[in-house]
Amino acid sequence: AQSVTQPDIHITVSEGASLELRCNYSYGATPYLFWYVQSPGQGLQLLLKYFSGDTLVQGIKGFEAEFKRSQSSFNLRKPSVHWSDAAEYFCAVGAPSGTYKYIFGTGTRLKVLA
Amino acid sequence: ETGVTQTPRHLVMGMTNKKSLKCEQHLGHNAMYWYKQSAKKPLELMFVYSLEERVENNSVPSRFSPECPNSSHLFLHLHTLQPEDSALYLCASSQELRRVAKNIQYFGAGTRLSVL
Repeated sequence: AQSVTQPDIHITVSEGASLELRCNYSYGATPYLFWYVQSPGQGLQLLLKYFSGDTLVQGIKGFEAEFKRSQSSFNLRKPSVHWSDAAEYFCAVGAPSGTYKYIFGTGTRLKVLA
Repeated sequence: ETGVTQTPRHLVMGMTNKKSLKCEQHLGHNAMYWYKQSAKKPLELMFVYSLEERVENNSVPSRFSPECPNSSHLFLHLHTLQPEDSALYLCASSQELRRVAKNIQYFGAGTRLSVL
């Protein structure tokens, strides 16, 4: 069955520290991959996406993600976290056939300590 | 500012009330979506419209009734809801429905619904 797993429900990091949020997927083929961020009281904002090509993808707000086919992973990283990065982060996959049906993970809530 | 606006942002209603959620997109997109976001659960796709035609009803109870009068507006009409329907309801839109890179979904801020 197709699925997306975000193993960490909560992560706490200190401001200025590096960050890595994990995302693993189970899919029959290489899917399209997305990371969204949801700030408190807000909707989901697209951080970055991977369709093909370079497996290291740059996004907004200084985030990047790396697609690793062998590990079925698409982890999100940021070298230095800012207090404003505190939010919930969602990984999502879409089918390469172009279906509109995304499969979302359950999210990772990031807390940033001053 | 995402270009997708949802109103109201918060709604409290009784189980016998009738209310509507509104979504408007200013992005010139052709497809619009309703999602339900409940605590500790993945986002649930409810309805999908493409060029005002409904293409997906993901086994949603009939107490939820969508309406898409044009490609910029999407409504979710609510009646006789249950307390378990309390959730954040998110609207999204995409340029197209199926073509790769054209169906990236952009979300509104959501309506926080509480059913008493």
